[in-house]
Amino acid sequence: GENVEQHPSTLSVQEGDSAVIKCTYSDSASNYFPWYKQELGKGPQLIIDIRSNVGEKKDQRIAVTLNKTAKHFSLHITETQPEDSAVYFCAASKQGQNFVFGPGTRLSVLP
Amino acid sequence: DAGVIQSPRHEVTEMGQEVTLRCKPISGHNSLFWYRQTMMRGLELLIYFNNNVPIDDSGMPEDRFSAKMPNASFSTLKIQPSEPRDSAVYFCASTQSGTRTDTQYFGPGTRLTVL
Repeated sequence: GENVEQHPSTLSVQEGDSAVIKCTYSDSASNYFPWYKQELGKGPQLIIDIRSNVGEKKDQRIAVTLNKTAKHFSLHITETQPEDSAVYFCAASKQGQNFVFGPGTRLSVLP
Repeated sequence: DAGVIQSPRHEVTEMGQEVTLRCKPISGHNSLFWYRQTMMRGLELLIYFNNNVPIDDSGMPEDRFSAKMPNASFSTLKIQPSEPRDSAVYFCASTQSGTRTDTQYFGPGTRLTVL
């Protein structure tokens, strides 16, 4: 079955700096890769996603890149703000089913 | 749209009691997922349904856990009998799978504490 690894497990950055979180997956048939942000006491919320037919996607300060050959994808947050502090999860899925999540990265943006 | 609705938000019970968690998916979504989240194990998929039919329940820990989806707008996750190690946050999520829009939306979760 699918296995998703995520690094780093914790990340601290200064406000205004960039943050990068990386994930790898094992099943080459996975074709949908969402990223979720989870704030304390809340459920995960989708922030950006990418499909296997696209190499990069950007939405304001957030971008995701996908390397299908290497089976890894990354989340990039630029100009970080304190409200970006949360736990971020990557996931891999086939046809919108059988989602497998990474273990999460706790991001702290220091003012 | 109200999003995915879960109840109760918090549940405290004693070991051996039956616990029932409820979920209402987003209207029009045809897939529903139950997850369990703990510090030690992260987010674990327990079971998911497609068009009200259980597709994969390999993540259900043991026979004490059962899930049903009697119709497209309601699902339950039952634990009987509950044990302290079942304490976790349980999330329900829904998606419209099989289409270009297969984004998964999570509910707010139910925090279960088994004493």
